[in-house]
Amino acid sequence: DQQVKQNSPSLSVQEGRISILNCDYTNSMFDYFLWYKKYPAEGPTFLISISSIKDKNEDGRFTVFLNKSAKHLSLHIVPSQPGDSAVYFCAVSGSARQLTFGSGTQLTVLP
Amino acid sequence: EAGVAQSPRYKIIEKRQSVAFWCNPISGHATLYWYQQILGQGPKLLIQFQNNGVVDDSQLPKDRFSAERLKGVDSTLKIQPAKLEDSAVYLCASSGQGNYEQYFGPGTRLTVT
Repeated sequence: DQQVKQNSPSLSVQEGRISILNCDYTNSMFDYFLWYKKYPAEGPTFLISISSIKDKNEDGRFTVFLNKSAKHLSLHIVPSQPGDSAVYFCAVSGSARQLTFGSGTQLTVLP
Repeated sequence: EAGVAQSPRYKIIEKRQSVAFWCNPISGHATLYWYQQILGQGPKLLIQFQNNGVVDDSQLPKDRFSAERLKGVDSTLKIQPAKLEDSAVYLCASSGQGNYEQYFGPGTRLTVT
């Protein structure tokens, strides 16, 4: 029973274009949502987060959108750069502040 | 500020042997987590500590896995005896009081042969 799903295992985009990564969750009790980036042989690195009381949070080239009615989370990267190539994980959290992760999306930004 | 430290980075053992992993969290972080990440999956929580007490170990296979966090700082995770299916990356993370964001160490890649 997957509580968090990232249905696209991989995504390729051209440098300078927009990357959109998607995530769906099942439990409406989750109240905090995060994105992590992971390079090979490194641990996940926190990227950006959003509380359930908001529908958008922006940090430089990264924007996270939350659609609570659809239980859908997305990460937009504009413009995409080759250094953004990594695996991106979405994670959700409830009252215990524990994280449940999706299976990840491998983003490749082509020069 | 120093990040989360883990050692060793890599470990290869035979099945039925024992292994231990060490983690030092970010200074001042009260909450410490151990995750298991199997290839192609996201990290899965094994155990959560708040200072030196266990908050949740419901996902820890207690017949073979154990963890402790003496003095509320460093933590060790042990597997005894190891099985082939324990091959994974073991990640340690920490978070500050009341924060949702967790900060991860580089992980230990365990291969059981």
